[in-house]
Amino acid sequence: NAGVTQTPKFQVLKTGQSMTLQCAQDMNHNSMYWYRQDPGMGLRLIYYSASEGTTDKGEVPNGYNVSRLNKREFSLRLESAAPSQTSVYFCASSDPTRSQETQYFGPGTRLLVL
Amino acid sequence: KNEVEQSPQNLTAQEGEFITINCSYSVGISALHWLQQHPGGGIVSLFMLSSGKKKHGRLIATINIQEKHSSLHITASHPRDSAVYICAVRRIGTDKLIFGTGTRLQVFP
Repeated sequence: NAGVTQTPKFQVLKTGQSMTLQCAQDMNHNSMYWYRQDPGMGLRLIYYSASEGTTDKGEVPNGYNVSRLNKREFSLRLESAAPSQTSVYFCASSDPTRSQETQYFGPGTRLLVL
Repeated sequence: KNEVEQSPQNLTAQEGEFITINCSYSVGISALHWLQQHPGGGIVSLFMLSSGKKKHGRLIATINIQEKHSSLHITASHPRDSAVYICAVRRIGTDKLIFGTGTRLQVFP
């Protein structure tokens, strides 16, 4: 099992460009998450998906859109990138129906917006 | 004030020392997680607690629900324990986690 995979690992964008961060998990988890991590701050939830076809805003959703394409895949789209979106992005998955409820994280995507 | 506070922010230790990292929270929770973030950036879950104490190897995690406080202990610390340790809580009634800002631990030989 690969766990949670993310692509790309690194990306440099110019202000105004768009891009999609891809995430996939092979653990048959229902819940998937997108977080951003900035220096001096805890991980902050951007969007959340409790199951295929459903998405909810998290703490910092402005400037982002998401798609839960199927149970495995959850993508994050930046329509018009801004320097404030320079960050490290993590995707995670979990299955809250199980007693463990552990979140499994992808390796992260480092994004620099110039 | 953050809903999840960790202390200390930074910690250095000599190999073999006993380490304690603290986490306090201000909301009602159904679970508390301890995670480890390696220098390369990867994040792994160490423990999930809803009460009492858990042990895995040299790591021990405790939680006091009444005092809204948890501790992560590392016995016989080793340089490979150097990482950022993150506390996160799941607020009652949600599946979402609220994260602390992390404690950066460096263990020197």
